[in-house]
Amino acid sequence: EIVMTQSPATLSVSPGERATLSCRASQTITNLAWYQQKPGQAPSLLIYGASTRATDIPARFSGSGSGTEFTLTISSLQSEDFAVYYCQQYNTWPLTFGGGTKVEIK
Amino acid sequence: EVHLVESGGGSVQPGGSLRLSCAASGFTFSSYAMDWVRQAPGKGLEFVSSITSDGGSTQSANSVKGRFTISRDNSKNTLYLQMGSLRVEDMAVYYCARRVGPYDFWGQGTLVTVSS
Repeated sequence: EIVMTQSPATLSVSPGERATLSCRASQTITNLAWYQQKPGQAPSLLIYGASTRATDIPARFSGSGSGTEFTLTISSLQSEDFAVYYCQQYNTWPLTFGGGTKVEIK
Repeated sequence: EVHLVESGGGSVQPGGSLRLSCAASGFTFSSYAMDWVRQAPGKGLEFVSSITSDGGSTQSANSVKGRFTISRDNSKNTLYLQMGSLRVEDMAVYYCARRVGPYDFWGQGTLVTVSS
């Protein structure tokens, strides 16, 4: 099983600032997605293929990385961006998620 | 517009059974693989089971193999998860999700509580 490790667990950021979230895979992968989850809601797809934004996702969200190291960057945090973010590999069964990074207001 | 609506959650004792359903609309259900993903209270996301578009192939997490069975009825646009031998650690919100590689659409989830 591919283990996905996200860091940090919590990120405190002021509105308008940049947020950088990390995700590491225990093996080389090519298929990585990022999801956003707000309290009481289902997750929603942000990024797939490591760097392609999903439909209607604002340009302030960007994904990068390859191999085992991946990054989600939110260039200028808006109030609606404070949430938990998960990475997921969909390379190999079983599909696995990282433990999540909570982005909170500083 | 794509809609996925889960139902069938509830409270059950350890060792009990439950069947979850996910009603799909707004897309050609029979063309898509579908999965169940769960989230224990205050925890992260965990893949549970997956089924191909025609129902011919399934995958399951080791934690549920032999206890949970995923199935679908394409004539009814419905996905199912038959859960048996339920354990306390199976308590979670269960989401159905459309899989196109990543999960592009999710339902709102249904809560399964396992407690004596």
